[in-house]
Amino acid sequence: GAVVSQHPSWVICKSGTSVKIECRSLDFQATTMFWYRQFPKQSLMLMATSNEGSKATYEQGVEKDKFLINHASLTLSTLTVTSAHPEDSSFYICSARRTSTDTQYFGPGTRLTVL
Amino acid sequence: LAKTTQPISMDSYEGQEVNITCSHNNIATNDYITWYQQFPSQGPRFIIQGYKTKVTNEVASLFIPADRKSSTLSLPRVSLSDTAVYYCLVGPRNSGNTPLVFGKGTRLSVIA
Repeated sequence: GAVVSQHPSWVICKSGTSVKIECRSLDFQATTMFWYRQFPKQSLMLMATSNEGSKATYEQGVEKDKFLINHASLTLSTLTVTSAHPEDSSFYICSARRTSTDTQYFGPGTRLTVL
Repeated sequence: LAKTTQPISMDSYEGQEVNITCSHNNIATNDYITWYQQFPSQGPRFIIQGYKTKVTNEVASLFIPADRKSSTLSLPRVSLSDTAVYYCLVGPRNSGNTPLVFGKGTRLSVIA
C-alpha cells in the first residue's frame, strides 16, 4: 500500500511550451503533497507545498506564476511548468502525506527536458 | 529541522559491510532519525527510522548512541544494487504537513 504515481515519467518539450506533471496517491487520501526539484548530482530541493482545496505555498525563490500547482482532489496534485526554458530541465519529484497515518511517500519522479 | 552532516561519498566492495555516519548535533528531544535511499532517476525510498539505541529491519540497521548527536546506518554485505545516494533526515516521527528537507546525502558506490 501507500503508492504514489507520477505521470509522465519523462517528457521532452520545446522551449516556450507548458508541461503538466501529475502526482497521484493511488490507495490513500493525501490532503498535502510536496513538490521537489532535483538537478543532476544534487539533492532534492523543495519547491512548494500543495494543499487540497487551497493555494500552494511556495519556497523562497520559486516563481508561483511559472510553476502552477493545483491540488483539486484528495488524490491528485498537478505541477504545470509554464513557458518552459532549458534551465527548467530537471527531475521533478512529488511526495504525498497519507492523512490517516501522517507519513509521507514519494513518487517515482518525472524527468523534464526542455529543448 | 535539525541540520545533518554526512560524508559526500563512499566506496565499498561487494560483500562488505558499509557504515554511513550522520552527525546531527542539534537534534531535538522529539526528533527521530530517518534514512532514505535514492537510485538514479527514482524517488527516495524509506529505509529505516529510529529514536535511540538500535533498530534493525530486513534492509539495514541503525545505531544511535545515547547522546543521539549522531547515527550510523549499517548495510550488511552490500551488492552492486546498493549503489545509491543515502540521505539522513532528522525530524518528527511522522512528518505530517512538514516537508522533508534533504541534505546532500552520501553517494555510495559498490564495486565488484
